[in-house]
Amino acid sequence: GENVEQHPSTLSVQEGDSAVIKCTYSDSASNYFPWYKQELGKRPQLIIDIRSNVGEKKDQRIAVTLNKTAKHFSLHITETQPEDSAVYFCAASRWDSNYQLIWGAGTKLIIKP
Amino acid sequence: EAQVTQNPRYLITVTGKKLTVTCSQNMNHEYMSWYRQDPGLGLRQIYYSMNVEVTDKGDVPEGYKVSRKEKRNFPLILESPSPNQTSLYFCASSTGQGAYEQYFGPGTRLTVT
Repeated sequence: GENVEQHPSTLSVQEGDSAVIKCTYSDSASNYFPWYKQELGKRPQLIIDIRSNVGEKKDQRIAVTLNKTAKHFSLHITETQPEDSAVYFCAASRWDSNYQLIWGAGTKLIIKP
Repeated sequence: EAQVTQNPRYLITVTGKKLTVTCSQNMNHEYMSWYRQDPGLGLRQIYYSMNVEVTDKGDVPEGYKVSRKEKRNFPLILESPSPNQTSLYFCASSTGQGAYEQYFGPGTRLTVT
């Protein structure tokens, strides 16, 4: 079955710098890749997602890139701010409606002032 | 307001004492699921439901039961809780399973002594 590995488990960056979190997946049929953000003590919330028919998607300071050949996708956060501190989860699934989301283990992002 | 609610938010109980965590959504979503979140392990799916009276096991179903008698409600039942079920539990709903945004409840922190 599908397996999603997420790295690093903890990432500390200076405020204003960029942060990159990478996930690799095993099932080449996976074609939907969301990213969720979980602030301390709160619920996970979707921040961006990408489908396999595109290689990159941006939303203000956040972007996701997908490399289908290498089977990895990455979350890029530019000009990091204190409110970006959170745990970020990647996941992978197939577009067929009955397939589960398979989750990465999460990355704790720390923004240093 | 569109939301997923869970009750209770915090629960401390003893081994073997049956408990139920309720989950309700007001978005008319067909798909609902339960996750547990443990440090370093990310989100692991316990059970999911594609619609009323349709439920199936996720990745870690042992020791849990669910039911889906109404579209809006999806309770999680621990018939004989054990200390290894101490965890943070999230209910989620969406319009479908794999490739749709998951809306999470606020979480239930369960401690079994």
